[in-house]
Amino acid sequence: DTGVSQDPRHKITKRGQNVTFRCDPISEHNRLYWYRQTLGQGPEFLTYFQNEAQLEKSRLLSDRFSAERPKGSFSTLEIQRTEQGDSAMYLCASSLRSLAPMGDTQYFGPGTRLTVL
Amino acid sequence: DAKTTQPPSMDCAEGRAANLPCNHSTISGNEYVYWYRQIHSQGPQYIIHGLKNNETNEMASLIITEDRKSSTLILPHATLRDTAVYYCIVRANYGGSQGNLIFGKGTKLSVKP
Repeated sequence: DTGVSQDPRHKITKRGQNVTFRCDPISEHNRLYWYRQTLGQGPEFLTYFQNEAQLEKSRLLSDRFSAERPKGSFSTLEIQRTEQGDSAMYLCASSLRSLAPMGDTQYFGPGTRLTVL
Repeated sequence: DAKTTQPPSMDCAEGRAANLPCNHSTISGNEYVYWYRQIHSQGPQYIIHGLKNNETNEMASLIITEDRKSSTLILPHATLRDTAVYYCIVRANYGGSQGNLIFGKGTKLSVKP
């Protein structure tokens, strides 16, 4: 399977614990996005990388959240001191920067479902 | 906020065409119309996108009005597996905040036998 993969698919944690999620984008995709989706809502943008540089962060990304993409390939999203409000689906998407008019389509992974007790 | 308006829900009979409308009256000249769908508990799946010409692929057809203020996604022969939330999104093809996908609530399509 050459699509976007995410690990783990499900995570249950207790309030106050730290969690880390991993995203492996489609090979050669240089752009990587993180989104969060709560129940009944559409996904909301969190942050964006082009290669290893984090170029954009949403105001939704509090100080407890940090994302990295150290070698421009896989990315990690860490949440420190989790709160019950962090319970959501965390989605990763990747795309290939393209100057072609129809380029730069984002493809999503299956998501990581986080439950904070 | 999402720049599109979609009906919250629609039903379609299995085997019939599903026509999902989307209004995007404030679309800019450099913005594309994208369609994604999300089957329960899965990540969004890309369907199709277009700028001003009608587009067709193996999944669907996208019809964009001449003034680009609205579009219709057509699933020619809906199956039960097409039951999902369908999102219509307008975005420019740039990275960063200009290129982010801004999802609304979408249309919940229920395909019935």
